[in-house]
Amino acid sequence: GAVVSQHPSWVICKSGTSVKIECRSLDFQATTMFWYRQFPKQSLMLMATSNEGSKATYEQGVEKDKFLINHASLTLSTLTVTSAHPEDSSFYICSAKKTGDVYEQYFGPGTRLTVT
Amino acid sequence: AQKVTQAQTEISVVEKEDVTLDCVYETRDTTYYLFWYKQPPSGELVFLIRRNSFDEQNEISGRYSWNFQKSTSSFNFTITASQVVDSAVYFCALSDYDYNQGGKLIFGQGTELSVKP
Repeated sequence: GAVVSQHPSWVICKSGTSVKIECRSLDFQATTMFWYRQFPKQSLMLMATSNEGSKATYEQGVEKDKFLINHASLTLSTLTVTSAHPEDSSFYICSAKKTGDVYEQYFGPGTRLTVT
Repeated sequence: AQKVTQAQTEISVVEKEDVTLDCVYETRDTTYYLFWYKQPPSGELVFLIRRNSFDEQNEISGRYSWNFQKSTSSFNFTITASQVVDSAVYFCALSDYDYNQGGKLIFGQGTELSVKP
């Protein structure tokens, strides 16, 4: 168990448009989900912590108006990159924690975003 | 502040060699968790191990072993008799238990391991 999916796995969009990435916990409920961004040859950087039914907590330096996070149910969190620019091109990874769990995070396969 | 340092950016070995990946961490908390993940070229993170701060026992899992030393704040990872399939980027990560923050992970910079036949 503990499978996390992301959709789409890759997406190409034009500069100025918005794109939505979904993160789903397929076989468990997740009160908390995390969104990470990874640039080529770099580490994963936490963007925000998403809690079901409440506003996301963004890390310092992450624009909350640009990266909209919605965690409307215990199995789904979405990240919307608004007015995307080429510098937003990156690998976006989500993870989910089982409700009641303390430390274990289950990672999705990632979404590669390319903004042209 | 929490920090994870993986000083080795890239390591290249020949198949069957043993290789150790270093990880040094910083935290003020007494309760924390350490992780190792493998990221193959596909990009998906593969969980390898979790250790809590109260368990300093070394662990072995097949060709993998981990050495946790609180005295030096290190959590090193050794692959014995490396294989080409071990080629990947390996990340060490730290999480302290903060109920309000949800236990977020702080990742090291990663070590890219290349195992040549």
